[in-house]
Amino acid sequence: EAQVTQNPRYLITVTGKKLTVTCSQNMNHEYMSWYRQDPGLGLRQIYYSMNVEVTDKGDVPEGYKVSRKEKRNFPLILESPSPNQTSLYFCASRSRGSGYGYTFGSGTRLTVV
Amino acid sequence: GQNIDQPTEMTATEGAIVQINCTYQTSGFNGLFWYQQHAGEAPTFLSYNVLDGLEEKGRFSSFLSRSKGYSYLLLKELQMKDSASYLCAVRPYDYKLSFGAGTTVTVRA
Repeated sequence: EAQVTQNPRYLITVTGKKLTVTCSQNMNHEYMSWYRQDPGLGLRQIYYSMNVEVTDKGDVPEGYKVSRKEKRNFPLILESPSPNQTSLYFCASRSRGSGYGYTFGSGTRLTVV
Repeated sequence: GQNIDQPTEMTATEGAIVQINCTYQTSGFNGLFWYQQHAGEAPTFLSYNVLDGLEEKGRFSSFLSRSKGYSYLLLKELQMKDSASYLCAVRPYDYKLSFGAGTTVTVRA
């Protein structure tokens, strides 16, 4: 089944404790992206990647890191999480080409206390 | 920056029609998308418009006017399962997809 898989689905952590949210897609998509979703603000892009070893900042990159060492994986790293990073996070991927929308993972609900 | 506006909430009756408007001002345009998102779930793709006009897919239709920076999503023969948030998204550049805050549609019996 074609899908984007994120883990974990739920995570509660403490301020300053490094964490990684994994994302993997099995559709051989070139483009991958991380979004966070907050009430009233909609989905905001954190980072995106256009291919292996090609990543760039989105609209809200502060406090986050990403890497794209393999085409299928695009982990999101929070080196020192803070309470304002409490949010619902989505990983998404799509093929290069004009008509393709993103396919989203199931989401990771992160709480930083 | 990108500015995408849509109403926050709409309510309609089962079997009725609802139209969700979206206006946008973006630094570029490479297509407009509509997504459906049920509470706590991932957004799912509904429609894509890149040229002016109406795209119809079953009970859902989407319209685009690039000169007016305007789109709407039309939901016909509403069902209870259509209660969800509907997200308007614009692709200003190939690598970027910017979203509006979403419209929550509540369908009442």
